[in-house]
Amino acid sequence: IAGITQAPTSQILAAGRRMTLRCTQDMRHNAMYWYRQDLGLGLRLIHYSNTAGTTGKGEVPDGYSVSRANTDDFPLTLASAVPSQTSVYFCASSRLAGGSTDTQYFGPGTRLTVL
Amino acid sequence: GDSVTQMEGPVTLSEEAFLTINCTYTATGYPSLFWYVQYPGEGLQLLLKATKADDKGSNKGFEATYRKETTSFHLEKGSVQVSDSAVYFCALRVDRGSTLGRLYFGRGTQLTVWP
Repeated sequence: IAGITQAPTSQILAAGRRMTLRCTQDMRHNAMYWYRQDLGLGLRLIHYSNTAGTTGKGEVPDGYSVSRANTDDFPLTLASAVPSQTSVYFCASSRLAGGSTDTQYFGPGTRLTVL
Repeated sequence: GDSVTQMEGPVTLSEEAFLTINCTYTATGYPSLFWYVQYPGEGLQLLLKATKADDKGSNKGFEATYRKETTSFHLEKGSVQVSDSAVYFCALRVDRGSTLGRLYFGRGTQLTVWP
């Protein structure tokens, strides 16, 4: 069982370009999340999806979009990248959205540099 | 709003020293509390959790007790090892309406243990 896979592992991108970060989980989890990790700021939620077909905005959604066409995949798109989007991006999933037994599992991350 | 304040690092200890990393929270309602660990170059892994007041989470020699009266969830370990060197994140989740399943992270504390 792979858990959560993310692609690419790292990417250098010119400002203004469009980029899609991929995330796939094989645990049949209902909920999925995208975070960005910046030094000194911890992890901040970008977008989330509590179940296939639904999405919602997190703390820092501007400049990003997501879709959830099926249970397994949750791509994150930067329509026109800017240098402030340089960060490490983590995808996460959980079986449910909340509840005392719910646990989020994280992917290995994508390191994105926008020049 | 819901938030976590975490002891800032970095923390540097000798092997077998006692570790405390402070974490306090602000939340409306009754949050679940978590400690995640991030080893170099990897994603986050759940270390331990507590879902109600006075619960103690424990794993790999680490412990944390959910203290409602002091709104705290401090991480402790009696004798650290070099292999414990990592970044530690405190997080909370309040399961209500619009924030169902969402985690709020502290800024992270870098721990380095020397032999």
